[in-house]
Amino acid sequence: DARVTQTPRHKVTEMGQEVTMRCQPILGHNTVFWYRQTMMQGLELLAYFRNRAPLDDSGMPKDRFSAEMPDATLATLKIQPSEPRDSAVYFCASGSGLAGLSIYEQYFGPGTRLTVT
Amino acid sequence: AQSVTQPDIHITVSEGASLELRCNYSYGATPYLFWYVQSPGQGLQLLLKYFSGDTLVQGIKGFEAEFKRSQSSFNLRKPSVHWSDAAEYFCAVGPSGTASKLTFGTGTRLQVTL
Repeated sequence: DARVTQTPRHKVTEMGQEVTMRCQPILGHNTVFWYRQTMMQGLELLAYFRNRAPLDDSGMPKDRFSAEMPDATLATLKIQPSEPRDSAVYFCASGSGLAGLSIYEQYFGPGTRLTVT
Repeated sequence: AQSVTQPDIHITVSEGASLELRCNYSYGATPYLFWYVQSPGQGLQLLLKYFSGDTLVQGIKGFEAEFKRSQSSFNLRKPSVHWSDAAEYFCAVGPSGTASKLTFGTGTRLQVTL
């Protein structure tokens, strides 16, 4: 069955290193979301795209985070340089936003667990 | 701006007992409402959704939820809980417009005792 895939599933890196997380949305879905989940903050929306265009990235620290969709089958979230406070689980979700009605059920990937030491 | 409150951080029920998880929302118009479930180490899975129409909606895994406009609530229910239902449950609200941004509650962790 169709599902969102994320790579890597786990990443351990040292402070200052660049981290790139990848997401393959469900084929045909035109909306992609990036979330971060921590015990302290819960689930936070970092950014989302519709038809590959960024619609809202207000939840993302601009100085070190960047999100892109090079094509319809790939979304990336990059952190450069990484810091220990970035340790979290990062989820990608995709959805199908129908024009005019905007039904948006989000399908989540399994997440990337990032640990920055 | 929309907001969601899940007043119960943690709930414990016995297997076979009924379950109700509370969700209250704040939004100026009729919102879209969702319940998601997250099992340990997994992403969130959509349980059910409300857009319009019948205020009692059925979802997967035997769950249902009722939209009550007068109480700004969208509580999740299950008549008989199974041990496999132990997970974290998130209520979410979205604007009934063209945006797709969901606001999630802080979650309720459900523990099921045998």
